Amino acid sequence: QVQLVESGGGLVKPGGSLRLSCVVSGFTFSDYYMTWIRQAPGKGLEWVSYISSSGGLVYYADSVKGRFTISRDNDKNSLYLQMKSLRADDTAMYYCVREIGVFDNWGQGTLVTVSS
Amino acid sequence: EIVMTQSPATLSVSPGERATLSCRASQSVRSNLAWFQQKPGQSPRLLIYGASSRATGIPARFSGSGSGTEFTLTISSLQSEDLAVYYCQQYNNWPPWTFGQGTKVEIK
Repeated sequence: QVQLVESGGGLVKPGGSLRLSCVVSGFTFSDYYMTWIRQAPGKGLEWVSYISSSGGLVYYADSVKGRFTISRDNDKNSLYLQMKSLRADDTAMYYCVREIGVFDNWGQGTLVTVSS
Repeated sequence: EIVMTQSPATLSVSPGERATLSCRASQSVRSNLAWFQQKPGQSPRLLIYGASSRATGIPARFSGSGSGTEFTLTISSLQSEDLAVYYCQQYNNWPPWTFGQGTKVEIK
């Protein structure tokens, strides 16, 4: 079955960096677009970033543009999110999500906390 | 950016009763509208796509309707396991993909 497993979250100070990873299984990763979606504690869902199947096309939410970088390694069935200049309002659960026109499969999430 | 607005914020329904959730888009999204269910402590799960098509494994008591700017998610006979927050999301104009703020369904 389809599985998406995120890792790399943790506690980081404002201005710091973190790299999230998502390893997938149960489908041909290189055929699918992927996204990161986040959810601040007690809040709603916010789309963060998107990457095409080849990695040649990427999009970012305005709130993270210039600070976050999405990438993928199709040989390793892995999706990444490099986060820099982190701020308190980046504190959230970050979900790795498969996109097939709709967001059809979600990982369990990895929690990022930005605090001094 | 398309703004999605859900109502009500909280809905309290007795078991076996019908629950009706609304979602409005700030401009037409045609039928490119999805609904997600997020149970406490879990990741969101796709319920409905294309405004009215149930995702794999979703019970028939969940149904979606609407097009353009007005959409509805109906739970025909609420079960205790339907306690959750429900989000609508448009995928017609992107980026960005945008979500409503959610409707919390409580069991009365």
